[in-house]
Amino acid sequence: AQTVTQSQPEMSVQEAETVTLSCTYDTSESDYYLFWYKQPPSRQMILVIRQEAYKQQNATENRFSVNFQKAAKSFSLKISDSQLGDAAMYFCAEGFSSNTGKLIFGQGTTLQVKP
Amino acid sequence: EPEVTQTPSHQVTQMGQEVILRCVPISNHLYFYWYRQILGQKVEFLVSFYNNEISEKSEIFDDQFSVERPDGSNFTLKIRSTKLEDSAMYFCASSSSGRYQETQYFGPGTRLLVL
Repeated sequence: AQTVTQSQPEMSVQEAETVTLSCTYDTSESDYYLFWYKQPPSRQMILVIRQEAYKQQNATENRFSVNFQKAAKSFSLKISDSQLGDAAMYFCAEGFSSNTGKLIFGQGTTLQVKP
Repeated sequence: EPEVTQTPSHQVTQMGQEVILRCVPISNHLYFYWYRQILGQKVEFLVSFYNNEISEKSEIFDDQFSVERPDGSNFTLKIRSTKLEDSAMYFCASSSSGRYQETQYFGPGTRLLVL
């Protein structure tokens, strides 16, 4: 069974500093996709960044970047210049190149940003 | 920007009652999903739906659950006889394609409380 593991239930970072959230996954699929979703207190989940497994280059979206280590099945999220609005629950998720679109989520990491 | 909407935002029901959770996906999307999140736990896939039929369902999605797209805009999740353990946040999502993991856009969720 495919699983996604986030080993950090909670993290905190000082405003303007950098923080890295960890995620590992376990899949036997050769073609898959990895995502980080943000869930603020409003509860609506928002896509932060996505990575296609076949791409070697790490995805970047403004202050958000990933460190994708395919052999290690690791997919960490780095948030640079943290802002108060970054405080949220962050979920790592995995999807597959099938036509059902199912996503498998990790347990989530609550990020606190201290002013 | 188009968004997924869900109604109601909160629903309280008695055990054994039927509930219908409603979602309006993004208008040109063809793939629809339901996920649930029990308080404090990970987001879990329930079902994916395409071309008026279920593409994939999880073990959670038993005979008590059903989905329907009654018209061109709504996508509903029905729980026939609610149990206490059905209390959770239910998220609807939609995407333009299921293949290649096109980005899924999530609604704000419906918080269901079964008493």
